[in-house]
This record gives sequence, structure tokens and C-alpha cells, in this order.
Amino acid sequence: EVQLVESGGGLVQPGGSLRLSCAASGFTFSSYKMNWVRQAPGKGLEWVSYISSSGNIIYYADSVRGRFTISRDNAENSLYLQMDSLRADDTALYYCARDPHEYTHYFDYWGQGTLVTVSS
Amino acid sequence: EIVMTQSPATLSVSPGERATLSCRASQSVISNLAWYQQKPGQAPRLLIYGATTRATDIPARFSGSGSGTEFTLTISSLQSEDFAVYYCQQYNNWPPLTFGGGTKVEIK
Repeated sequence: EVQLVESGGGLVQPGGSLRLSCAASGFTFSSYKMNWVRQAPGKGLEWVSYISSSGNIIYYADSVRGRFTISRDNAENSLYLQMDSLRADDTALYYCARDPHEYTHYFDYWGQGTLVTVSS
Repeated sequence: EIVMTQSPATLSVSPGERATLSCRASQSVISNLAWYQQKPGQAPRLLIYGATTRATDIPARFSGSGSGTEFTLTISSLQSEDFAVYYCQQYNNWPPLTFGGGTKVEIK
């Protein structure tokens, strides 16, 4: 069974940092592209970042580029999101999501999310 | 950036009735479109990809149609478990991958 379990969320002050993790199991993690998607409270879905299966191709949404860093450890079956210079509008539930096919970019499995709250 | 627009924002439907949800792209995404269902307190669930292909274990009452800029998700006979928010997402021109604002299907 495919499982994605996020952790690392919490309350942080504006300008602070957090590192999110996503532990993957039930599939060959190193073969799949991965993404972070977020959802502000009561709002819709926003794609945040993408990383290829080997980690050599990375993309970011304009809203986080230069502040967030995506990475992965295929030996540990884990995905990460380093979040720096956090702002109030980064407050959201952050999901990791699997990207199932080489030439397509939708999300077939999602974690349950980890909540990031940026507030003083 | 491709802007995805969903309509209506809220759809009131009685159980057993048909629901038709629309998604429009600001430019052609060919058939590179997915639909997701999200229930309160849950993660999104993939329903449809490639505009028309049902994902694994998705009931046949869910169907997707369209190409280019106009897409439709149809739920042929609404069940109680189908009341949720539905999102479309394009993956033709990216980054960024973009979602529509969602359609809430509520009980009439």
C-alpha cells in the first residue's frame, strides 16, 4: 500500500524557518517524481515545488522561489521541503504528492498533510 | 501561467441526480487535465487524468470529457459520499502546475 506521511509542521514566527519531511513507503520511491502542494485554510490547492526521481530537475512556484528548497533522499525514501524567510501567507497545510508517469504531472497519491502556521 | 477557472463555485444537487462541473483553461492544455475530489479534513483524491481516464478504483458514475480549453466532470447519479469539493488541474504547460478554484457540490 502506498503511504506518504508528512511531518515537521508547526507554529513559526515570520522570517523563521521550518523543514518538512515526507516519508514514503509501499512503492519504489527512487522511481517517482514528487511534489509539494499546499492549501491555505479554507482555500484551494496551490502547487509549490517539483523534484525529479533522481533529484536533478527541480521547479518552484514563483511565490516560494528563493525561499524554499526541495530535496530528496532516495536511500531513506524521504522527501523534504526546507522553508526559509517564512511569511504569513505561507500558512497552509502542506501535502507531499506522487507524480506517477514520466511525461505527465498529476498526483495519484497524497499524504494527509502537515500544518504550517506563520504568526507572531 | 495557465489560469484554470471552475464553475459554478457551488452546485446544489439532490442525491441520485446528475452533476455537471465545468473547468476552463486560459489556453489550450490539450488533454493534460486531471480532476480531484476533496472531502472535509481529507487529502485530495485523484479521480480523472488525461481528461477522460478514470483513476484506479474510481466508480464509473464519474466521467470526464473535453479537450483544449473546455472540460467537464460529470457525476451521473450523486451518492451521499460524493458531496465534496472538486478541483481541476492542468499539467500541459508548466511550471507552474495550476489548479482551478474548486466547485463545492452540496446537498440540495
